[in-house]
Amino acid sequence: KAGVTQTPRYLIKTRGQQVTLSCSPISGHRSVSWYQQTPGQGLQFLFEYFSETQRNKGNFPGRFSGRQFSNSRSEMNVSTLELGDSALYLCASSSGHSGGAYEQFFGPGTRLTVL
Amino acid sequence: QQQVKQSPQSLIVQKGGISIINCAYENTAFDYFPWYQQFPGKGPALLIAIRPDVSEKKEGRFTISFNKSAKQFSLHIMDSQPGDSATYFCAASNGNGANNLFFGTGTRLTVIP
Repeated sequence: KAGVTQTPRYLIKTRGQQVTLSCSPISGHRSVSWYQQTPGQGLQFLFEYFSETQRNKGNFPGRFSGRQFSNSRSEMNVSTLELGDSALYLCASSSGHSGGAYEQFFGPGTRLTVL
Repeated sequence: QQQVKQSPQSLIVQKGGISIINCAYENTAFDYFPWYQQFPGKGPALLIAIRPDVSEKKEGRFTISFNKSAKQFSLHIMDSQPGDSATYFCAASNGNGANNLFFGTGTRLTVIP
């Protein structure tokens, strides 16, 4: 089975721009979660999508948004980029069935640099 | 507020030794506790996970010990190898259909040959 794929792997943007990141989960997985990883704040949960609906949301401003398509692929968008948005953005895939948290498998991440 | 506290921040172990990383949590609603291993330039990889109905889980050289009353859990790496040198993260989640993991701050493990 192919793992979680994320595109692009690296991205350089300037302040004020917007960016869209993409994630393709493991085949058969319906849940996609997004995390931000920075040296200062560590790994922080952004949001989770399951069957095209946002099921859970972390404590990030509204500039961070996402969506999920019918084939479970997900995109994350950050508008009006700030220097502090520079981070590794990780996507995690799981079966997502209700009744408890299930194993999450991470992709390699997208390294975003905001200049 | 850090929901999961992890220590030590860094750890140096001789090859063949035992590496021990500790985590503590406050939220008694947490019911799933995974450990992840991350190499530079890669995403975290799931190593092993435990639920609070058991006190220990072993997979190969990796063991999780779980103390529900103390709200603590730890990762033991037996016979540590240079290839184990990586950053390790503990995490916790409170289920209920939610898939958000709360991560510890990470431990950078270096295994010296």
